[in-house]
Amino acid sequence: DAGVIQSPRHEVTEMGQEVTLRCKPISGHNSLFWYRQTMMRGLELLIYFNNNVPIDDSGMPEDRFSAKMPNASFSTLKIQPSEPRDSAVYFCASSSPHRDRYSGNTIYFGEGSWLTVV
Amino acid sequence: GQNIDQPTEMTATEGAIVQINCTYQTSGFNGLFWYQQHAGEAPTFLSYNVLDGLEEKGRFSSFLSRSKGYSYLLLKELQMKDSASYLCAVSENRGSTLGRLYFGRGTQLTVWP
Repeated sequence: DAGVIQSPRHEVTEMGQEVTLRCKPISGHNSLFWYRQTMMRGLELLIYFNNNVPIDDSGMPEDRFSAKMPNASFSTLKIQPSEPRDSAVYFCASSSPHRDRYSGNTIYFGEGSWLTVV
Repeated sequence: GQNIDQPTEMTATEGAIVQINCTYQTSGFNGLFWYQQHAGEAPTFLSYNVLDGLEEKGRFSSFLSRSKGYSYLLLKELQMKDSASYLCAVSENRGSTLGRLYFGRGTQLTVWP
């Protein structure tokens, strides 16, 4: 089975440019998460969708960040304009509506998008 | 938010046993997870505890005490490939946060030959 698919895997962009990160969750999963990971702050939740609806966006740093989930199989995270401090690994993750004794509401991560803003 | 605390770094030798502790504070506890993350890779699921006690999966075991807000991950017969960061995460079932995981900063384990 295909896991969570993210693109691009790596992006280097200049300050002020728009960055769009893409994610395809695991088929059948109804929750989707965007996380950001840095050495300084660890793994931070940016936004969380359930059934394509944003549930919690309290982690979105500021108005420069926006996320959409137009359908169950696609989400984007956009940064406009980008700044050097946005440099990080951005992970998309998804989870199933079904719970079992051994994995609960485990979330499964994509390979990440490594963003460098210069 | 949650207070999830775990040691920053640990070292051990091949073949040994290591225990990584995690303490947490949360309302509406809905499960505790351990993830492994190798450098440059995504976190991968290792274990899940929702009831008190020990869950064993091969060389890895995870323990939970809900009353104490405490968990540990036990790694036996350590191998070099176990060198990685181990992330403790707590799930909440309170209102709009249902389903989200709160992650600790991770414990970087280095296994020496």
